[in-house]
Amino acid sequence: QITLKESGPTLVKPTQTLTLTCTFSGFSLKARGEGVGWIRQPPGKALEWLALFYWDFDKRYSPSLRNRLSIAKDTSKNQVVLTMTDMDTVDTATYYCARRGTGGNFDYWGQGTLVTVSS
Amino acid sequence: QSVLTQPPSASGTPGQRVTISCSGGSTNIGDNTVNWYQQLPGTAPKLLIYSNNQRPSGVPDRFSGSKSGTSASLAISGLLFEDEGDYYCAAWDVSVRGPVFGGGTKLAVL
Repeated sequence: QITLKESGPTLVKPTQTLTLTCTFSGFSLKARGEGVGWIRQPPGKALEWLALFYWDFDKRYSPSLRNRLSIAKDTSKNQVVLTMTDMDTVDTATYYCARRGTGGNFDYWGQGTLVTVSS
Repeated sequence: QSVLTQPPSASGTPGQRVTISCSGGSTNIGDNTVNWYQQLPGTAPKLLIYSNNQRPSGVPDRFSGSKSGTSASLAISGLLFEDEGDYYCAAWDVSVRGPVFGGGTKLAVL
């Protein structure tokens, strides 16, 4: 059974750095084409892809946020960590992590975690 | 502004058939397959259709997808009240080097 769960702060102040952890189980992130991605959704708005970590340690970022994002895998744990710097109120959103299956789609999603940016 | 274009809303009555369109370009839908995600109120998105027209295990055959050129469509037949929610199309984009999503379509079952 594949599961993913996001964890991290629910409230951050403007200009702070956000660190979110995706803890997954049921897959190893070693199959060719497999990945773990981060997607966010501001309240009442659409989904926006942020970053992807691939089975071969390749990393991809949304061009519009590339300068603020970093994604990495904890080599000793089934965890993928997303870091976003210089947070702003417009970054208030529910942040989801999801598995990118070998077919290229996000086939399993975490429940999401709401992050509010406010002073 | 989302890369893929969807109508903001759609509606139907129970038992009806509705379709939701998704328009993109040569770097995304025109060059890659389309996936559809269903997001019911207060829940995380769920993969509904992948590779243009394939249903994951457990998805009823009331849901179907198609693609032509740089556009795609999701059709829902035999509409149920439980189908109310938001529907998003997505596709890989070669210029972004990542997935792009549509703006979402809110489906109301009246």
